[in-house]
Amino acid sequence: NAGVTQTPKFQVLKTGQSMTLQCAQDMNHNSMYWYRQDPGMGLRLIYYSASEGTTDKGEVPNGYNVSRLNKREFSLRLESAAPSQTSVYFCASSSTTGSNEKLFFGSGTQLSVL
Amino acid sequence: SQQGEEDPQALSIQEGENATMNCSYKTSINNLQWYRQNSGRGLVHLILIRSNEREKHSGRLRVTLDTSKKSSSLLITASRAADTASYFCATFRLSQGGSEKLVFGKGTKLTVNP
Repeated sequence: NAGVTQTPKFQVLKTGQSMTLQCAQDMNHNSMYWYRQDPGMGLRLIYYSASEGTTDKGEVPNGYNVSRLNKREFSLRLESAAPSQTSVYFCASSSTTGSNEKLFFGSGTQLSVL
Repeated sequence: SQQGEEDPQALSIQEGENATMNCSYKTSINNLQWYRQNSGRGLVHLILIRSNEREKHSGRLRVTLDTSKKSSSLLITASRAADTASYFCATFRLSQGGSEKLVFGKGTKLTVNP
């Protein structure tokens, strides 16, 4: 049981390049999330998907787009990368979005934008 | 802004000692969760305490919740080098869309020296 799988683990981009971060979960969870983690800032929610076919903005959505491809997969796209998007990105999933739910996290993607 | 704020930001202790981390939050909550993050890894859920609970135990972990002070503490007893990690509290906050989203604090970095 792999849990939440993110690819790639590391990526270096030049300013203006685009890329897609992939995330897949095998726990049959309805809800999926993308967070970014910056030193001294904790984790901040970028986008989430409460269920297949729905997506919604979190705290810091600017510069990102998401696609909930199916129940398993939730991708995060940077259309034109900026140095401010240098961060560690985490995908997470939960059974639902209810307040008693715990999140399961992937191991992260370390992204550097030069 | 962060819903939960951990204190201290960093803590260094010797193996065998107890480690106490605190979390303060601003709004009313249904529950509060604690997560651990080992270096270079994703977050792992440790424990959830509901608003009507005052204390909860899980192995060497003891969590308390004081809703009147809007604060929680995580105690790790008889610490081990393997407990070295960052610890985050998290609470649900109502988003603009009307649904609840898990918001994390900035974390406490715990170092347990052998």
